Amino acid sequence: AQSVTQPDIHITVSEGASLELRCNYSYGATPYLFWYVQSPGQGLQLLLKYFSGDTLVQGIKGFEAEFKRSQSSFNLRKPSVHWSDAAEYFCAVGQERLQGAQKLVFGQGTRLTINP
Amino acid sequence: DGGITQSPKYLFRKEGQNVTLSCEQNLNHDAMYWYRQDPGQGLRLIYYSQIVNDFQKGDIAEGYSVSREKKESFPLTVTSAQKNPTAFYLCASSIMVQGGPAFFGQGTRLTVV
Repeated sequence: AQSVTQPDIHITVSEGASLELRCNYSYGATPYLFWYVQSPGQGLQLLLKYFSGDTLVQGIKGFEAEFKRSQSSFNLRKPSVHWSDAAEYFCAVGQERLQGAQKLVFGQGTRLTINP
Repeated sequence: DGGITQSPKYLFRKEGQNVTLSCEQNLNHDAMYWYRQDPGQGLRLIYYSQIVNDFQKGDIAEGYSVSREKKESFPLTVTSAQKNPTAFYLCASSIMVQGGPAFFGQGTRLTVV
């Protein structure tokens, strides 16, 4: 069965510093991978996705992620964080597609705090 | 603007009562989903539907029921059989092209009192 691990429950960085959030997945085939962001009490917003092709994908809000098959990782990065980036970040992998639905398996999330 | 609308945002229920959470989308997506989120945890799939009048159980379907009478609507009923219903519930939808990402509503926070 597919699984997703986000090793860091909580990360604190200073505003302007670089950021890397880790995500490791377990999946037998080439996965569909996603990063979502959630502000408190809100729904999830898609940051970026990887399906195939270039292993470095660009997303919204200046985020990027790199798919590394050899490490089963899909880490999220941002060169310089802003106070507005404080939120919960979720990595997800798409399960086997049965009849077309995109069933997602989520990691437990990483809460990002930004120090001024 | 296209999107997914969940209502209400906050819902309180007495123990032993059924309650229905609304989810409407105008994205013309075929697939719709219900996820449950508990504090400090990721999302877990309750039910999903790929076509009107058809739906499948997800990983934690016990104590929940759904219907899909219209393409735009996918209501979730939390029944009295759900032992621990207090949670944040998220509805999502997606196209069914391979790898199509899910788009989420703003969620409903259900509290049992």
